[in-house]
Amino acid sequence: DGGITQSPKYLFRKEGQNVTLSCEQNLNHDAMYWYRQDPGQGLRLIYYSQIVNDFQKGDIAEGYSVSREKKESFPLTVTSAQKNPTAFYLCASSTPGTGRTGELFFGEGSRLTVL
Amino acid sequence: AQTVTQSQPEMSVQEAETVTLSCTYDTSENNYYLFWYKQPPSRQMILVIRQEAYKQQNATENRFSVNFQKAAKSFSLKISDSQLGDTAMYFCAFCLNAGNMLTFGGGTRLMVKP
Repeated sequence: DGGITQSPKYLFRKEGQNVTLSCEQNLNHDAMYWYRQDPGQGLRLIYYSQIVNDFQKGDIAEGYSVSREKKESFPLTVTSAQKNPTAFYLCASSTPGTGRTGELFFGEGSRLTVL
Repeated sequence: AQTVTQSQPEMSVQEAETVTLSCTYDTSENNYYLFWYKQPPSRQMILVIRQEAYKQQNATENRFSVNFQKAAKSFSLKISDSQLGDTAMYFCAFCLNAGNMLTFGGGTRLMVKP
């Protein structure tokens, strides 16, 4: 089945450690996104990529980094510079320009807890 | 910058009844898209319904319909004949024509009671 797979589902990190969240899609979508979800704040865009080897900062990129070496993969690294990393992280993909503007396909999310 | 506001953090409804979730937004643009996304407990977020701002007719998808008031910048979601499976977080979202950069509201947690 086509879809988006995020791993791990749950992750615990000690302060000062970097962690990488995986996001893989087999939908052949060009664009991929990382959102952070906090209670009462909805989803906030961290980074997005509309094509391989290119990505752009979203609204809250500080303390995060990404790469897009393959169309299928868009890993997110939460660095030690992120002051409050405990959150639920959602990866999504889409195919801009296909008449389905705004339709994002989401993974099941990764919950990161800093101990 | 666009903003999306959902003023109801939590709502509940009895099974088979109708419930309306509110959403307001702010933009200076004339052409845009509005969405309602559903996030069930421990499951993937999915698109429920979308509305193009240039269309006057309100979008409908089975039991889900919207009341789009462009002048008032209001975009409410009506769920008819509520089912237990409708229990979820619902997010209102906005985007301009290009790039699929969505701005989300804070969400409304809906509980459907048997």
